[in-house]
Amino acid sequence: EAQVTQNPRYLITVTGKKLTVTCSQNMNHEYMSWYRQDPGLGLRQIYYSMNVEVTDKGDVPEGYKVSRKEKRNFPLILESPSPNQTSLYFCASSLKTGGLYGYTFGSGTRLTVV
Amino acid sequence: GQNIDQPTEMTATEGAIVQINCTYQTSGFNGLFWYQQHAGEAPTFLSYNVLDGLEEKGRFSSFLSRSKGYSYLLLKELQMKDSASYLCAPRPAGGYNKLIFGAGTRLAVHP
Repeated sequence: EAQVTQNPRYLITVTGKKLTVTCSQNMNHEYMSWYRQDPGLGLRQIYYSMNVEVTDKGDVPEGYKVSRKEKRNFPLILESPSPNQTSLYFCASSLKTGGLYGYTFGSGTRLTVV
Repeated sequence: GQNIDQPTEMTATEGAIVQINCTYQTSGFNGLFWYQQHAGEAPTFLSYNVLDGLEEKGRFSSFLSRSKGYSYLLLKELQMKDSASYLCAPRPAGGYNKLIFGAGTRLAVHP
């Protein structure tokens, strides 16, 4: 089944403890992206990747890191999480740019930083 | 700047028709998507418009006017399962596939 898989689905952590949220897609998509969703603000892009070893900042990159060493994986790293990073996170992928290539989203990761 | 405006909430009755409007301003334009999102779940693709006019897909239709920066999603024969948030997402012009998402319209369908 074609899908984007995120793990974990739920995570509660403490301030400053490094964590990684994994994202993997099995559709050979070139483009991958991370979004966070907060009430009243909609989905905001954190980082995106056009292809292997090509990443760039989105609209709210502060406090996050990403890597794209393989085409299928795009992990999101929080080196020192803070309570303002409590949010619902979505990984998304698409085949390429342009055209009818909307996103396929992962199931989401609800992160709470205390 | 880039801006998307949708109503925050709407209510409708089962079996009725509802229209969710979206106005947008983006840096260039390269298509507009509508997504459905049930609470706590991932958004799922509903429709895509790149040219002016109406795209019909079963009970759902989407309209686009590029000159007005305006789109709407029309839902017919509403069902209880249509209670969800609906996200308008235009794609600015540019070399990468970035979508700009509005805060969404939360639709509640009542019996």
